[in-house]
Amino acid sequence: NAGVTQTPKFQVLKTGQSMTLQCAQDMNHEYMSWYRQDPGMGLRLIHYSVGAGITDQGEVPNGYNVSRSTTEDFPLRLLSAAPSQTSVYFCASSYSPPTGSVEKLFFGSGTQLSVL
Amino acid sequence: AQTVTQSQPEMSVQEAETVTLSCTYDTSENNYYLFWYKQPPSRQMILVIRQEAYKQQNATENRFSVNFQKAAKSFSLKISDSQLGDTAMYFCAFMKPLYSGGYQKVTFGTGTKLQVIP
Repeated sequence: NAGVTQTPKFQVLKTGQSMTLQCAQDMNHEYMSWYRQDPGMGLRLIHYSVGAGITDQGEVPNGYNVSRSTTEDFPLRLLSAAPSQTSVYFCASSYSPPTGSVEKLFFGSGTQLSVL
Repeated sequence: AQTVTQSQPEMSVQEAETVTLSCTYDTSENNYYLFWYKQPPSRQMILVIRQEAYKQQNATENRFSVNFQKAAKSFSLKISDSQLGDTAMYFCAFMKPLYSGGYQKVTFGTGTKLQVIP
């Protein structure tokens, strides 16, 4: 069971370049989300999805796009990278079982992105 | 909106000693969930312990336990018999319950960097 798989693990971009961070989960989880981690600021929610075809903005959505065409995949797109987007990015998935109890967030291993 | 505050950016503890990491939060919800996540140098996010607000009993997981004070909105993590492998960043996190509707957004604190000294 692979869990949540993020690629790439490291990436260096030049200002203005575009790229897509990939995220896939094999647990059939309904919820998926993207966070960025910056020193002294914890993890902040960028975008999230409650199911295929449904996405919404989090706290810091500017400069990022997402889509969710399948349950498994939730890519994050940077259309025109800026130095302020230098960060560590985490994809996470979760679900709510029929019992109503809350499950934890399952995290990917993160992507270290540097924008020069 | 919920906020989570970790007032200790860095802490250190001698191996085998006990250390307590502080976390306070602000919410108008009555039922919710609280978590402590550990992030070692490998960068992996690892769930340490979780607490359901409607349960009065404090959660424990081996050497890890919490002191949950609902009225004070405090959720501290106690690590007993500290080990070198406990060296990591620790994040406190809050999640609202499902019945509130919509996505269960998780709000994280800014983290406490813990160093265990041999």
